[in-house]
Amino acid sequence: GAGVSQSPSNKVTEKGKDVELRCDPISGHTALYWYRQSLGQGLEFLIYFQGNSAPDKSGLPSDRFSAERTGGSVSTLTIQRTQQEDSAVYLCASSPRASGGINEQFFGPGTRLTVL
Amino acid sequence: LAKTTQPISMDSYEGQEVNITCSHNNIATNDYITWYQQFPSQGPRFIIQGYKTKVTNEVASLFIPADRKSSTLSLPRVSLSDTAVYYCLVGLNAGGTSYGKLTFGQGTILTVHP
Repeated sequence: GAGVSQSPSNKVTEKGKDVELRCDPISGHTALYWYRQSLGQGLEFLIYFQGNSAPDKSGLPSDRFSAERTGGSVSTLTIQRTQQEDSAVYLCASSPRASGGINEQFFGPGTRLTVL
Repeated sequence: LAKTTQPISMDSYEGQEVNITCSHNNIATNDYITWYQQFPSQGPRFIIQGYKTKVTNEVASLFIPADRKSSTLSLPRVSLSDTAVYYCLVGLNAGGTSYGKLTFGQGTILTVHP
């Protein structure tokens, strides 16, 4: 079946511009996560959506970052007034309602953001 | 969230068994231990998850001692295609009303040589 998809795959923008990154989770998955991975680094948690609950925004690095999830499905991560330090790969993951204690996150291919 | 410590890199040869150990001294009672694999230019991929003792699936085994302050991922008979970054994570697992927010550390770069 279809996995997690993200668009665009690559985005080059100029400093100060706003960007929107899209994530289409696996159908039926109730949890959705955004992570950021800088070159050669591990993943940094950004935000987490679970069903209709208020999102966990504790990982967002500044108020320039925001995300929404419409209808419990597609999510958009928006970065306003981009800075060069925002350059990274932005990864989206989704996970189903767990059974048997397993919580496997399925990752998309990521969006590589380059801020010039 | 529990902090994890794992070796930065490891080297192995085709056909050998590889064991990667992760320390997580402040793991909480409800935390599960999960390992992910990441190839260049791809998102991480789930390998295995466990709570205690030993878990085995078709690709790996996970050994967790009684105190749960560490865990060891065991990859049997590695091949060149197992060259990747391996992440050890601990976090609150789904099972009730909370779902896992996982923290990824630096990971272990495993290089398998011919």
